[in-house]
Amino acid sequence: QITLKESGPTLVKPTQTLTLTCTFSGFSLSTSGVGVGWIRQPPGKALEWLALIYWDDDKRYSPSLKSRLTITKDTSKNQLVLTMTNMDPVDTATYYCAHFNYDILTGPNYYYYYYMDVWGKGTTVTVSS
Amino acid sequence: DIQMTQSPSTLSASVGDRVTITCRASQSISSWLAWYQQKPGKAPKLLIYKASSLQSGVPSRFSGSGSGTEFTLTISSLQPDDFATYYCQQYNSYPYSFGQGTKLEIK
Repeated sequence: QITLKESGPTLVKPTQTLTLTCTFSGFSLSTSGVGVGWIRQPPGKALEWLALIYWDDDKRYSPSLKSRLTITKDTSKNQLVLTMTNMDPVDTATYYCAHFNYDILTGPNYYYYYYMDVWGKGTTVTVSS
Repeated sequence: DIQMTQSPSTLSASVGDRVTITCRASQSISSWLAWYQQKPGKAPKLLIYKASSLQSGVPSRFSGSGSGTEFTLTISSLQPDDFATYYCQQYNSYPYSFGQGTKLEIK
């Protein structure tokens, strides 16, 4: 059974750096094909994908936030870490981590398409002075 | 970037009704579309992936269809537990993107 749990500060000040940790079980980020990532949701608003890291350390970021985000993994601890610099009140949101499963499109080459199949419960972050 | 647009934004329906939610992509995403259900204060739950594949454990009253740029989520007979907000999401290309959500309310 795959489970994920987010942790981190509930309150950060503007301009500070946010560090969130996702601790997971039921899979390993060293296993070929595995991906884990972050999504956020401001209060009353839609979901926004932030970042994704794969088993081979390939990383993908939302272009609008790429300059502020860093995603890393610690396979020995079964943890994922997201850092977001220069926090602003508009970054107030619930932050989720999620396990990514994939579909395979076969042909001359193999193409993998990843979707979020298991989510953590989320952690709420407020940015305020 | 691919924009996802859902309609309607709000839908009022009664238990037992058949309801359909539409999701449109700004460009073709083949069948790389997922649907999620979210209840207040809870994390999203995967319902459908690859446009029409039912996630394990999800009731069969949920179904998805479509390809290219137009997709639908249908609930064949609404149950009290189904009143929630539904999101579509494309995973054809980065950056992944979600629709703005459809809130399904009790009439």
